[in-house]
Amino acid sequence: DAGVTQSPTHLIKTRGQQVTLRCSPKSGHDTVSWYQQALGQGPQFIFQYYEEEERQRGNFPDRFSGHQFPNYSSELNVNALLLGDSALYLCASSSYTDTQYFGPGTRLTVL
Amino acid sequence: AQSVTQPDIHITVSEGASLELRCNYSYGATPYLFWYVQSPGQGLQLLLKYFSGDTLVQGIKGFEAEFKRSQSSFNLRKPSVHWSDAAEYFCAVANSGYALNFGKGTSLLVTP
Repeated sequence: DAGVTQSPTHLIKTRGQQVTLRCSPKSGHDTVSWYQQALGQGPQFIFQYYEEEERQRGNFPDRFSGHQFPNYSSELNVNALLLGDSALYLCASSSYTDTQYFGPGTRLTVL
Repeated sequence: AQSVTQPDIHITVSEGASLELRCNYSYGATPYLFWYVQSPGQGLQLLLKYFSGDTLVQGIKGFEAEFKRSQSSFNLRKPSVHWSDAAEYFCAVANSGYALNFGKGTSLLVTP
């Protein structure tokens, strides 16, 4: 049984560019959450998607947006990249409000 | 607002010694509590969770944690540490399974 998968593994962008990160949830899960983990910090909640709708959002600007598809996979989009957006982006899936299981993450570097 | 504090940024233990990692939470209602472990450059792996019931929770890899409401704590323990346990450990609290609110983590170093 495949766990949570994320792509790409690593990404390098320059300031002002836009980026899209992808996540496929664990089989049987219908909810996807995204987290940002800066170096040396704990993960920070960005938002959560359920039934293709954003259910809850953390304290992140509108530059961060997302989408969930009918097959429950999800995308995280970040516009107008800043140096401070450099981080490990983690996707977690769950069955509704049950325990969240994390993917390996996408390492984003903004130059 | 809910929050989690992990007082120890770094902990060093000898292989075979016992381990306790501290976690204190702030939350009005009964919290959902978790411990996750992260190896360098990797995602988070769930060690154990507490939703309700027995306050002593058993997890994977020989870890356990005890929920103490009176102390607002959820400390992680292991009786004998292995070199492979070296990693970053995160305590987290959730409201009804929505957003996880993580502590800043405790880095565990295991010496021979």
